[in-house]
Amino acid sequence: DAKTTQPPSMDCAEGRAANLPCNHSTISGNEYVYWYRQIHSQGPQYIIHGLKNNETNEMASLIITEDRKSSTLILPHATLRDTAVYYCIVRVPTGNQFYFGTGTSLTVIP
Amino acid sequence: DADVTQTPRNRITKTGKRIMLECSQTKGHDRMYWYRQDPGLGLRLIYYSFDVKDINKGEISDGYSVSRQAQAKFSLSLESAIPNQTALYFCATSDPLGEGGELFFGEGSRLTVL
Repeated sequence: DAKTTQPPSMDCAEGRAANLPCNHSTISGNEYVYWYRQIHSQGPQYIIHGLKNNETNEMASLIITEDRKSSTLILPHATLRDTAVYYCIVRVPTGNQFYFGTGTSLTVIP
Repeated sequence: DADVTQTPRNRITKTGKRIMLECSQTKGHDRMYWYRQDPGLGLRLIYYSFDVKDINKGEISDGYSVSRQAQAKFSLSLESAIPNQTALYFCATSDPLGEGGELFFGEGSRLTVL
């Protein structure tokens, strides 16, 4: 599975959009991009995933560049409860393992 | 009730003691995982299992063993605990069918080895 690079930390004002970047320059054609978040020390929570096209669900939007070497997770209207560590992972859906890096610590500021 | 349940949630033990962390799930998933998280770090995979007869080592399996007693149960053992195994441990499950394959995590077991 390809590895990812994320900034260690970011701040976002409450009510504004939070844009979390992820680089995955070695991603292969059959690997999906997954995003998880971990609030405090709880178990990580699935947010969204995608292959090529942009995806949106009730939690977030995922924008994947055309060359698939990077992606951005967008939380459209960040709230204080979105303060968490966000992990970007690339893998094949039937692959053996999920590799979690150190993620991006997002702080939403009132 | 939680779909993935870990017991105990907190445990303090002494060096050299045998410890077992248990995980049970009601999601009906075949795949189960044990992860470890140290402060300020991401999750690292210890062991994973794709069915009852399948056990695989992850990134950091030394000092740990596992048992898959049934589809719903996956236990992690520390045969002789040492202080650097102090960490937060997570169990997770996944269903590989389709493109989903997302992980579902338990609430974690915090282990302190003195």
